[in-house]
Amino acid sequence: NAGVTQTPKFQVLKTGQSMTLQCAQDMNHEYMSWYRQDPGMGLRLIHYSVGAGITDQGEVPNGYNVSRSTTEDFPLRLLSAAPSQTSVYFCASSYYRAHEQYFGPGTRLTVT
Amino acid sequence: GESVGLHLPTLSVQEGDNSIINCAYSNSASDYFIWYKQESGKGPQFIIDIRSNMDKRQGQRVTVLLNKTVKHLSLQIAATQPGDSAVYFCAENIGRGSTLGRLYFGRGTQLTVWP
Repeated sequence: NAGVTQTPKFQVLKTGQSMTLQCAQDMNHEYMSWYRQDPGMGLRLIHYSVGAGITDQGEVPNGYNVSRSTTEDFPLRLLSAAPSQTSVYFCASSYYRAHEQYFGPGTRLTVT
Repeated sequence: GESVGLHLPTLSVQEGDNSIINCAYSNSASDYFIWYKQESGKGPQFIIDIRSNMDKRQGQRVTVLLNKTVKHLSLQIAATQPGDSAVYFCAENIGRGSTLGRLYFGRGTQLTVWP
């Protein structure tokens, strides 16, 4: 199994641009989530999904959209990038318990 | 503000010694507490968890202790090895029914193991 994969690994955007961070898992996990990690900080939950077609907001959802059309994929969309969204983004999945999550390698995003 | 926090941002120990990483929390509604390890440049890795109705849980070389009276969580690592060097995060899962709970992370403790 590849586990949780994220693309791209690095991305630089200009303010106002949009993009989609990709996340996929091949473990047939129902629960998937997106976090951001800023320097010296823990991870903060952006959005999460308990199954295909079901999503909900986390702690810091503003400026981000998600959808879950399949069990495997959970893309994160930045509608209009802002410098405050410069961060490392992690996608995670778990079988049924939100806390025992498997994390991807992360995407480092810089917005100039 | 964050309900999950850490007493010390850094911890240095000698190889072979035991390590204790502490965490304070403030949300009494949390039903699970979890420890994650994050090595440089990688995503967090699940270590161990404990339910709110337990006081202690042991894994391989790790023990988590939960003191609900003072809202304190600790991770003990026995015979610390250089490979244990990483940032350790405590996190809490808030809400009944863990499938719908949200995970809140603390800021992390950097553990450095010296040979």
